[in-house]
Amino acid sequence: QSVLTQPPSASGTPGQRVTISCSGSSSNIGSNTVNWYQQLPGTAPKLLIYSDYQRPSGVPDRISGSKSGNSASLAISGLQSEDEADYYCAAWDDSLNGQVFGGGTKLTVL
Amino acid sequence: QVQLVESGGGLVKPGGSLRLSCAASGFTFSDYYMTWIRQAPGKGLEWVSYISSSGSTIYYADSVKGRFTISRDNAKNSLYLQMNSLRAEDTAVYYCARDGGSLGFDHWGQGTLVTVSS
Repeated sequence: QSVLTQPPSASGTPGQRVTISCSGSSSNIGSNTVNWYQQLPGTAPKLLIYSDYQRPSGVPDRISGSKSGNSASLAISGLQSEDEADYYCAAWDDSLNGQVFGGGTKLTVL
Repeated sequence: QVQLVESGGGLVKPGGSLRLSCAASGFTFSDYYMTWIRQAPGKGLEWVSYISSSGSTIYYADSVKGRFTISRDNAKNSLYLQMNSLRAEDTAVYYCARDGGSLGFDHWGQGTLVTVSS
């Protein structure tokens, strides 16, 4: 049981926009920034979004992050086949004194 | 370019010990926090431990507290994870990651597999 809650799966067709939600509490998302990671099959995770909505260099602007209260969202527009991957949200938890992850969302491009 | 290379994984019996290493290059290692994260087969990511740039501040997940010890040698640009009293549920790929605080884990190693089995 993960501290942050994500839907286990999401899907869309090429060109569509999909969103992935991440729900937490006041001790994590509500008081700290959220980061998102993409994990392609068989590879190490890669930072996709940091500080709620910032994109590292090289991440296309069709990928965006947002946060409101104790929840955060990742949006991918203009869906492409190479977006098929697992996506994880993460945040520091002040009560646990540790980083917490969501359970991950497997994105399928139909 | 930033490189993180883990080593030391392998097969160990329950109750045994293993020491993981992470060799860092391409950045000033002593300027950065570092973190270990693991992923059990077919499962999600689990944060394991954090160490500050100087090594003075350390945190552990409850699941490994008292059994695992994180450390670093800034002179050798290396991060370590000493794992004792290993259990079957510690079986996972262990990643070291550069920890940018609010900037996220911006670089990851390729991971090293630890299998705990009799």
